[in-house]
Amino acid sequence: GEDVEQSLFLSVREGDSSVINCTYTDSSSTYLYWYKQEPGAGLQLLTYIFSNMDMKQDQRLTVLLNKKDKHLSLRIADTQTGDSAIYFCAQGSGGGADGLTFGKGTHLIIQP
Amino acid sequence: DAGVIQSPRHEVTEMGQEVTLRCKPISGHNSLFWYRQTMMRGLELLIYFNNNVPIDDSGMPEDRFSAKMPNASFSTLKIQPSEPRDSAVYFCASSLKGDEQYFGPGTRLTVT
Repeated sequence: GEDVEQSLFLSVREGDSSVINCTYTDSSSTYLYWYKQEPGAGLQLLTYIFSNMDMKQDQRLTVLLNKKDKHLSLRIADTQTGDSAIYFCAQGSGGGADGLTFGKGTHLIIQP
Repeated sequence: DAGVIQSPRHEVTEMGQEVTLRCKPISGHNSLFWYRQTMMRGLELLIYFNNNVPIDDSGMPEDRFSAKMPNASFSTLKIQPSEPRDSAVYFCASSLKGDEQYFGPGTRLTVT
C-alpha cells in the first residue's frame, strides 16, 4: 500500500537552513506536497511539486525531488521562529481532487 | 471567504454516545475530505466526496463511522456508538478539482 515516511523531529538554530526529508512509495504519484500545521490549527499548503520536476523554489522554500529514490525534501532557508510547526509530506495522484496520503509529520524546533 | 468551517471545535462525550461532526466547505469547491489525526497514526484519510458523491470510504475505520454530504455546502461525520479510541482531531478539507486542499481548523474529539 501507499506509505509516506518522515522523521518525527528536527531541531535547528534560528538563521540556519532546515532540511526536512520524506520518502514515499507510490511511484505513480503525480503530485507531492508539503503542508504546514501550526499549533491548534489545520494544515496549510506550503508548496507542491509535479512528479516530472526535480526542483522548485519559492522564496525561502526549496523542494527537491529524487524520483528514482522516491525521496522528497523541503529546505527552509534562514529559519525563523515563525517556522516552528509540524511539516507534513503528502503524495497524491489527482491534484486536489483525490485524497492525499500523509506522512506522520516532522516537528521543526527552532533554537534561539 | 471564511474558509472551511467545522463545528464543534471541541467535543467531549462519554463512551457509547453518538457524535456528529459538521463541515461547511469553501463555496464553489466540489471535493470534500474527512481526515483524522492522532499521535499514533498521524493523519489518515477517512472518506472523500466529489460533487457530493462518496468516492472512496476505504479509510473509514468501521461501521460505527458514517459520513454524508446532502448538498454542496454541508457534510457530516457521525460516530455511533463512540469509543475512547475514537479520540482524535478530525479535519475536513475541500478543494476545487485540480487545486490544493484547504483544511478547516479541526474538531478535537475526546471520548471518555
